[in-house]
Amino acid sequence: EVQLVESGGGLVKPGGSLRLSCAASGFTFSSYSMNWVRQAPGKGLEWVSSISSSSSYIYYADSVKGRFTISRDNAKNSLYLQMNSLRAEDTAVYYCARGLKYSSSWRLDYWGQGTLVTVSS
Amino acid sequence: DIQMTQSPSSLSASVGDRVTITCQASQDISNYLNWYQQKPGKAPKLLIYDASNLETGVPSRFSGSGSGTDFTFTISSLQPEDIATYYCQQYDNLPTFGGGTKVEIK
Repeated sequence: EVQLVESGGGLVKPGGSLRLSCAASGFTFSSYSMNWVRQAPGKGLEWVSSISSSSSYIYYADSVKGRFTISRDNAKNSLYLQMNSLRAEDTAVYYCARGLKYSSSWRLDYWGQGTLVTVSS
Repeated sequence: DIQMTQSPSSLSASVGDRVTITCQASQDISNYLNWYQQKPGKAPKLLIYDASNLETGVPSRFSGSGSGTDFTFTISSLQPEDIATYYCQQYDNLPTFGGGTKVEIK
C-alpha cells in the first residue's frame, strides 16, 4: 500500500525557516517524481514544487522561487521542502504527492494527509 | 502561467441528479488535464486523468471530456458520498489548479 506521511509543520515567525519531510513507503520511491502542493485555509490547491526521480529536474512556483528548496533522499525514501524567508501568505497545509508520468501523461496519483504550516508573529 | 477557470464555484443538487462542472484553460492544453476530489478535512484524490480516463477504483458515475481549452466533469447520478470540492488541474506547463467547485446536497 502506498503511503506518504508528512511531518515538520508548525508555527513559525515571519522571516523564519522550516523544513518539511515526507516519508514514502509501499512503492519504489526512486522511480517516481515527487511534488509539494499547498492549500491555504479555506482556499484552493496550489502546486509548489516538483523534483524528478533522480533530482535532475526541479521546478518551483513563482510564489516560492528563491525561498523554498525541494530535495529528496532515495536511500531514505524521503522528500523534503526547505522553506526560508517565510511569509504570512505561506500559511497552508502542505501535501506531499507522488507524480506518475507515462508517455505524455502526468498526474498526482497518491497524496499524503498534509502538515500545517502557520506563519505568524 | 496557464490559468484554469472553473465554474460554477459551488452548486447544490439532489441525490440522483446529473452534475456538470466546467473548466476552461487560458490556452490550448490538448488533453493535459486531471480532475481531483477533496472531501472536507481530507487530502485530494485523483478521479480522472488525461481529461477522460477514469482512475482505477473510481466509480463509473464520474466522467470527464474535452480537449484544447474547454473541459467538462460529470457526475451522472449524484450520491451523498460525492459531497466534496472538485478541482481541475492542467499539466501542459507547470501544474496549475482551477479554483474548485464545492458540491452540496440540496
